[in-house]
Amino acid sequence: DAGVIQSPRHEVTEMGQEVTLRCKPISGHNSLFWYRQTMMRGLELLIYFNNNVPIDDSGMPEDRFSAKMPNASFSTLKIQPSEPRDSAVYFCASSPGTSKFFGPGTRLTVL
Amino acid sequence: QQQVKQSPQSLIVQKGGISIINCAYENTAFDYFPWYQQFPGKGPALLIAIRPDVSEKKEGRFTISFNKSAKQFSLHIMDSQPGDSATYFCAASRYGGAQKLVFGQGTRLTINP
Repeated sequence: DAGVIQSPRHEVTEMGQEVTLRCKPISGHNSLFWYRQTMMRGLELLIYFNNNVPIDDSGMPEDRFSAKMPNASFSTLKIQPSEPRDSAVYFCASSPGTSKFFGPGTRLTVL
Repeated sequence: QQQVKQSPQSLIVQKGGISIINCAYENTAFDYFPWYQQFPGKGPALLIAIRPDVSEKKEGRFTISFNKSAKQFSLHIMDSQPGDSATYFCAASRYGGAQKLVFGQGTRLTINP
């Protein structure tokens, strides 16, 4: 199994641009989680899905952030417009039940 | 009530020593307590987990000790090796199904050779 796949691995963009992060969960896992990691705030849960349905998006910081899961093998996290304070590493994790398996992350830098 | 507090923030241990990282939680509904290990540039990887029906779980050199009444749990790394140098996160959630995992702030562990 290839594990959770995230793309791109690195993204550098300018303030105001739209950014789309992508995630392919492990096949057969029915839950998907988006986390953000920063030095100041650690690992924060942004949103999670169960069977492709958003369950809890209370961690999404602002309306500039949106996430979708159109099918069991793909999810996106979009930031529009991006701001410098959005710079962080964004992780996707999938789960067959309780244990969560993390992807390698996308390092986002907003200039 | 969702917080998980982790200490210390950083820890330096000599090779062969015991590394100890502590966590405390508030939400008594939590019944699943994993530890994650993260190397630079990588995602967190599940290391070991415990449920409150036992007070200790051991896997190789890694042991979780759990104190339900104190709402505390800790990770012990025996015979610490330079390859154990990483950031360690404790976490907590409810068990089963799609549950939110709440993380501690992390401990940067350095094992000196």
